[in-house]
Amino acid sequence: DQQVKQNSPSLSVQEGRISILNCDYTNSMFDYFLWYKKYPAEGPTFLISISSIKDKNEDGRFTVFLNKSAKHLSLHIVPSQPGDSAVYFCAASASGNQFYFGTGTSLTVIP
Amino acid sequence: DTGVSQDPRHKITKRGQNVTFRCDPISEHNRLYWYRQTLGQGPEFLTYFQNEAQLEKSRLLSDRFSAERPKGSFSTLEIQRTEQGDSAMYLCASTNPRAEQYFGPGTRLTVT
Repeated sequence: DQQVKQNSPSLSVQEGRISILNCDYTNSMFDYFLWYKKYPAEGPTFLISISSIKDKNEDGRFTVFLNKSAKHLSLHIVPSQPGDSAVYFCAASASGNQFYFGTGTSLTVIP
Repeated sequence: DTGVSQDPRHKITKRGQNVTFRCDPISEHNRLYWYRQTLGQGPEFLTYFQNEAQLEKSRLLSDRFSAERPKGSFSTLEIQRTEQGDSAMYLCASTNPRAEQYFGPGTRLTVT
């Protein structure tokens, strides 16, 4: 039962443009969402989070948007840089207990 | 803040052998999580601890898997009688009071 889905396995974006990564979830009890970046042979690195009481959270070049009615969140990276090339995972949790991860989207930023 | 560490980084073992992995969380984090990740998938939750209490273990993959955190600091994950299907990356994470999870580098297990 894949409760968190990332339907785009890969995404390519030109340097300087916006990258938009999407994530959908099915469990209406989820109230906390996170995005991670992962390089090969490393553990995931925490990027940004959002709780369900908000619909937007921004940290530098990274902004996460949450649409609770659609059970959808997205990560915007502006401007995209070559160093952003990595696999991005979204994750969701109910009350900060178990965390459920999507299958990841591989982002390539083209110089 | 030295981050989450895991040992060993790589483990090759023969089918049927037991293996144990260690995780040292960030010292001020009281929650510790274990995940398994296979190729093309996201991390799959296995179990977690708050201090020394194991709060959820129903998602451990079988009774061959067990985890401990005896003093509320480091944790171990043991797999008994390993099978080839156990080959994966095993990740540990600890959580700050804002529920932000920080992962270690993982232990890659290969069962031959």
